[in-house]
Amino acid sequence: DIQLTQSPSFLSASVGDRVTITCRASQDITSYLAWYQQKPGKAPNLLIYAASTLQSGVPSRFSGSGSGTQFTLTISSLQPEDSAIYYCQQLHSYPFITFGQGTRLEIK
Amino acid sequence: EVQLVESGGGLVQPGMSLRLSCAASGFTFDDHAMHWVRQVPGKGLEWVSSISWDSDNVDYADSVKGRFSISRDNAKNSLYLQMNSLRAEDSAVYYCAKDFEETAMVQGIMIKGLYGMDVWGQGTTVTVSS
Repeated sequence: DIQLTQSPSFLSASVGDRVTITCRASQDITSYLAWYQQKPGKAPNLLIYAASTLQSGVPSRFSGSGSGTQFTLTISSLQPEDSAIYYCQQLHSYPFITFGQGTRLEIK
Repeated sequence: EVQLVESGGGLVQPGMSLRLSCAASGFTFDDHAMHWVRQVPGKGLEWVSSISWDSDNVDYADSVKGRFSISRDNAKNSLYLQMNSLRAEDSAVYYCAKDFEETAMVQGIMIKGLYGMDVWGQGTTVTVSS
């Protein structure tokens, strides 16, 4: 199984800050990585796919980068509505998909 | 409006069975593979099962293999998850999700493939307890 490890597990930042979340894969997954945002009581929402492509309708302050085993999700200027849990997901071993353990982002 | 609506969750005793349903609307259901993903409250996401558009390919996480069965009825735009021999550790919110197929850059080449899950239901809660 391909394992995904996210860091940090918890992040607290202020409005306007630049925030970066990292996802490391246990083996090469090329660019088959997606990022999701999940708010309390809601289903996950697809933000980024193919490691760096912004999903339609997602604000441009979100961006993704990386390939192979190391990936990052960046929020360029944090907004209050960005408070959520963020998950990475690998699809390299589709359909045996795995998720990272999540990063909780708190707005100070 | 593109939508997935799950139903069928509830409280069930260990060892019993439950069948979840997911009604799809707003998109061509039989064009897409579908998934079940679960989440223990306060915990992370776990992929449970997938089914191809034509039901020819079904797959399961090791944690549910042999106990759960995924199926679909394209005429009814519906996805199902039959859960047997339920255990306490199966207690979770169960989401159905639609495959996201796109053309994207992979290692410098534009490749059409499956890149995520772009539509999710609101979830249905399964509690396994005596």
